Amino acid sequence: EPEVTQTPSHQVTQMGQEVILRCVPISNHLYFYWYRQILGQKVEFLVSFYNNEISEKSEIFDDQFSVERPDGSNFTLKIRSTKLEDSAMYFCASKGGRSNTEAFFGQGTRLTVV
Amino acid sequence: GQQLNQSPQSMFIQEGEDVSMNCTSSSIFNTWLWYKQDPGEGPVLLIALYKAGELTSNGRLTAQFGITRKDSFLNISASIPSDVGIYFCAGVYSGGGADGLTFGKGTHLIIQP
Repeated sequence: EPEVTQTPSHQVTQMGQEVILRCVPISNHLYFYWYRQILGQKVEFLVSFYNNEISEKSEIFDDQFSVERPDGSNFTLKIRSTKLEDSAMYFCASKGGRSNTEAFFGQGTRLTVV
Repeated sequence: GQQLNQSPQSMFIQEGEDVSMNCTSSSIFNTWLWYKQDPGEGPVLLIALYKAGELTSNGRLTAQFGITRKDSFLNISASIPSDVGIYFCAGVYSGGGADGLTFGKGTHLIIQP
């Protein structure tokens, strides 16, 4: 069964460093998302991406964040200068079509900023 | 932004009991989704609801999309140990195809032996 895959599963980084989280969405999907979940809290929307551009972003997605689809298969989230409060699980999700289709999530990357 | 109020926050039940949880919102959603999350894993979709009033089942799970489009419930019948986890409701307004999901805060389901 097709699935969204994310790498790495766990990333530890020092405060101020740049990190890139990687995702391979389901191959024929068109809409891509990043979500964040701070430990013990709800899943929060960060950004959606369609047709090679950001469609929507939340207040959390500030100038420190960027997304890219560098080739036909990968979708990345970059955090330019990590802060302690960026520590969280980051989930990538993808969706096949317009609104009436379901988003499928990857297993997540646990980012720990020390 | 849009907010979802999910309740209860946690449930302690005996194996075999039925479970009910719900989400309400002050905003209208056009799609309601229910996800389950196991520790260290991503959310896994359980049920998707697309029409107001829709009632959908998936095995022992039943969910309904409220007629006002501002609420949804999820029922689990005859709970078993593998039902343990966190259940999230999520809504999509669907102003456009790329709309992100708004999640509730989750319901922790704990099954006592």
